[in-house]
Amino acid sequence: GAVVSQHPSWVICKSGTSVKIECRSLDFQATTMFWYRQFPKQSLMLMATSNEGSKATYEQGVEKDKFLINHASLTLSTLTVTSAHPEDSSFYICSARAGGARSYNEQFFGPGTRLTVL
Amino acid sequence: AQTVTQSQPEMSVQEAETVTLSCTYDTSESDYYLFWYKQPPSRQMILVIRQEAYKQQNATENRFSVNFQKAAKSFSLKISDSQLGDAAMYFCAYRSRPGDMRFGAGTRLTVKP
Repeated sequence: GAVVSQHPSWVICKSGTSVKIECRSLDFQATTMFWYRQFPKQSLMLMATSNEGSKATYEQGVEKDKFLINHASLTLSTLTVTSAHPEDSSFYICSARAGGARSYNEQFFGPGTRLTVL
Repeated sequence: AQTVTQSQPEMSVQEAETVTLSCTYDTSESDYYLFWYKQPPSRQMILVIRQEAYKQQNATENRFSVNFQKAAKSFSLKISDSQLGDAAMYFCAYRSRPGDMRFGAGTRLTVKP
């Protein structure tokens, strides 16, 4: 299957700072990218969906000014956690999908980024 | 909104035996996809099996098969000849044709040697 990478895999930051997480589709063009958050021993919760060149669509309850998503190219999406606080500590997973909505296109997952805010 | 329910937080199976993980979902749509994903300790999501709602035939991938009951909105995963490497969190997921993927709460599967 196709490969989705994330960088960094683990980041520790101080409270109040901003952290950027990159998600790249390495061998396909991702027209749609998804960001999920997973707390320990819990499921993946969708945070936002982004289409290349468009503004991201955020799920209810997710602060768009706090979690800035940029999908500037067909192979790169970034999630910036602004003014991070300890409660933002979590595992963030990106996922990417090629093609349009009319046909089935598999969704590939990155390996995740563990964020720890001190 | 679509919801996915996994009612078994934990399951255990003896090596070489068969285990079934349950999943139900709620949707008003007729065209959608259902998935089972495995998440090992590395936390990398691994696709186990996929079912398209318009297909009546249950999907099968080697030792993994599903029982898809569209009218009952049920989608269970059967793992045959369980192996130690099958131990992981298993998530049931729903995706509408143009939409995003939603996950159930997960079932932690333990395989006993």
